[in-house]
Amino acid sequence: DAKTTQPPSMDCAEGRAANLPCNHSTISGNEYVYWYRQIHSQGPQYIIHGLKNNETNEMASLIITEDRKSSTLILPHATLRDTAVYYCIVRVLRAGSYQLTFGKGTKLSVIP
Amino acid sequence: DGGITQSPKYLFRKEGQNVTLSCEQNLNHDAMYWYRQDPGQGLRLIYYSQIVNDFQKGDIAEGYSVSREKKESFPLTVTSAQKNPTAFYLCASSIGLETQYFGPGTRLLVL
Repeated sequence: DAKTTQPPSMDCAEGRAANLPCNHSTISGNEYVYWYRQIHSQGPQYIIHGLKNNETNEMASLIITEDRKSSTLILPHATLRDTAVYYCIVRVLRAGSYQLTFGKGTKLSVIP
Repeated sequence: DGGITQSPKYLFRKEGQNVTLSCEQNLNHDAMYWYRQDPGQGLRLIYYSQIVNDFQKGDIAEGYSVSREKKESFPLTVTSAQKNPTAFYLCASSIGLETQYFGPGTRLLVL
């Protein structure tokens, strides 16, 4: 299974862009990169996903390098409510089902 | 409102007792999943179901059981065989094999 590596923690000033990196050097050509976040004691919230092209939605942008070995999640204007643990996941097909393997993620602290 | 509901929010289990956690969705999703999360850790897959009356074991199925009699419901039973049940339990659902959406979770504590 493709594994991901994320920094354990990051700080970001309120109103600034938060750039969260993720390495997934063993990713296969047909495996998607997914990002979720989890605010303390709540269920994970889906943010965005992509295969090879950069993606943008109302929450964030996802930049995937050309060799697909790493990606960056960008929150363009971080707010205090964006403080959470962010998980970068490579979705793998296993036993006929796509499965998500969550690591420990990056704890993002948005500072006033 | 469409969504995934889990109940109860908190659940207490006595030694040797089986407890059942509820997960209901009205999103018309085919697939449903159960995960376990321990403090400071990521989520681990317990069981998943892609269709009614069918389910498969995930990475840590021992001590747990599930049923999928209705499309909307995927209850998880934590049996007395699960020796370390204290954890945060999360249910998710998806359309086929697409993006999974999570419920609010149930925190299980052992008395």
